[in-house]
Amino acid sequence: GQNIDQPTEMTATEGAIVQINCTYQTSGFNGLFWYQQHAGEAPTFLSYNVLDGLEEKGRFSSFLSRSKGYSYLLLKELQMKDSASYLCAGLDSNYQLIWGAGTKLIIKP
Amino acid sequence: ETGVTQTPRHLVMGMTNKKSLKCEQHLGHNAMYWYKQSAKKPLELMFVYSLEERVENNSVPSRFSPECPNSSHLFLHLHTLQPEDSALYLCASSQVLGLAGEGGGANVLTFGAGSRLTVL
Repeated sequence: GQNIDQPTEMTATEGAIVQINCTYQTSGFNGLFWYQQHAGEAPTFLSYNVLDGLEEKGRFSSFLSRSKGYSYLLLKELQMKDSASYLCAGLDSNYQLIWGAGTKLIIKP
Repeated sequence: ETGVTQTPRHLVMGMTNKKSLKCEQHLGHNAMYWYKQSAKKPLELMFVYSLEERVENNSVPSRFSPECPNSSHLFLHLHTLQPEDSALYLCASSQVLGLAGEGGGANVLTFGAGSRLTVL
């Protein structure tokens, strides 16, 4: 079956770095997405990886290893506004998104 | 308005009521989606429309009935729901269905803020 695994909750300190991991098993693979969702708000697109390696966008970076079925989202210089849920989703061979349950990130001062 | 707008934001209904959720997008997208989001569970895809035609129904109970009158509007009609249907219902849109391109391309979803449904 198809599956996305990510930790349920993580806690980090303001100004620090945090890495949110995601492992995936999909039927075929057409890329991996990360979305951010603040409480009570819409999920918003953060990143997309389809090739191995690291993609950097400001304080946020996303990494993909297709051979390991593994991705991570790296958040640097954490700010209080980064407290949110982070959703990992894989795109299978039918271009269907397979979602993880999300990782709730709590930032402490 | 821009983006994806959902109304109402909150809805409380009894099991015998009939209500509808509305979604509107002004992005010129051709694909629209209904998702169900329950606490600590992955997003569940309910319905997909591409160019106003339904292309996917993931075994959703008939008490949920979608309607897509045009490429900008999507409705979810609710009838005789159960308490376990209480959840956040998210609408989303994408440029087209079934293509991947640079930066995620056409598969990048733009979500609405959701309609929080409580069934008593």
